[in-house]
Amino acid sequence: QLQLQESGPGLVKPSETLSLTCIVSGGSISSSSYYWGWIRQPPGKGLEWIGNIYYSGVTYYNPSLKSRVTISLDTSKNQFSLILSSVTAADTAVYYCGRHPGGLNYYHFMDVWGEGTTVTVSS
Amino acid sequence: DIVMTQSPDSLAVSLGERATINCKSSQNVFYSSNNKNYLAWYQQKAGQPPKVLIYWASTRESGVPDRFSGSGSGTDFTLTISSLQAEDVAVYYCHQYYSTPITFGQGTRLEIK
Repeated sequence: QLQLQESGPGLVKPSETLSLTCIVSGGSISSSSYYWGWIRQPPGKGLEWIGNIYYSGVTYYNPSLKSRVTISLDTSKNQFSLILSSVTAADTAVYYCGRHPGGLNYYHFMDVWGEGTTVTVSS
Repeated sequence: DIVMTQSPDSLAVSLGERATINCKSSQNVFYSSNNKNYLAWYQQKAGQPPKVLIYWASTRESGVPDRFSGSGSGTDFTLTISSLQAEDVAVYYCHQYYSTPITFGQGTRLEIK
């Protein structure tokens, strides 16, 4: 059974860089049938897609965050990562990693989600 | 970006009664080449990640009770819970995956009357 677990610091200072990792078990991130992505949810608010990555390294990012986001794969550890630079209080959220069924140049909804990790941006 | 608008924002329904949530997309999410609507519904219970209930607008995810159903096409979609159970209290989101950036509705909070 596929499981995803987010890890990373729960507190980040304004203007600094947020870095999260998603550890995948029960399946390989090198599969050509899936993308691996991040979605966030500010406290009491709705869901915002951040971006995702294919096993080949192809990435898609939300244009609203694109200038600050990098998603990468580490196939040796079967994990993928999110880097969000120059954070502000508006980046405070629960960050979820997950899997999107897909293929070359297309992906679908996130069908498997991690439990989420809370990140607070505050000095 | 495709904007997803749900109605109502909140809903209170008696146990055993029908609950209906609507979702409207600002653009068509139907792809004619494969005859599919790129629309999913999620359920999010307090303190949990979202769980997919419905995809392709009307396909129920494995393990989802058959009281949940999805309908609609193009820009107008509906999630129906035929007989509300206590465990259905949650926030429900519609979601389009037709185009990047993929987007979500603002959510509908469902409670027991």
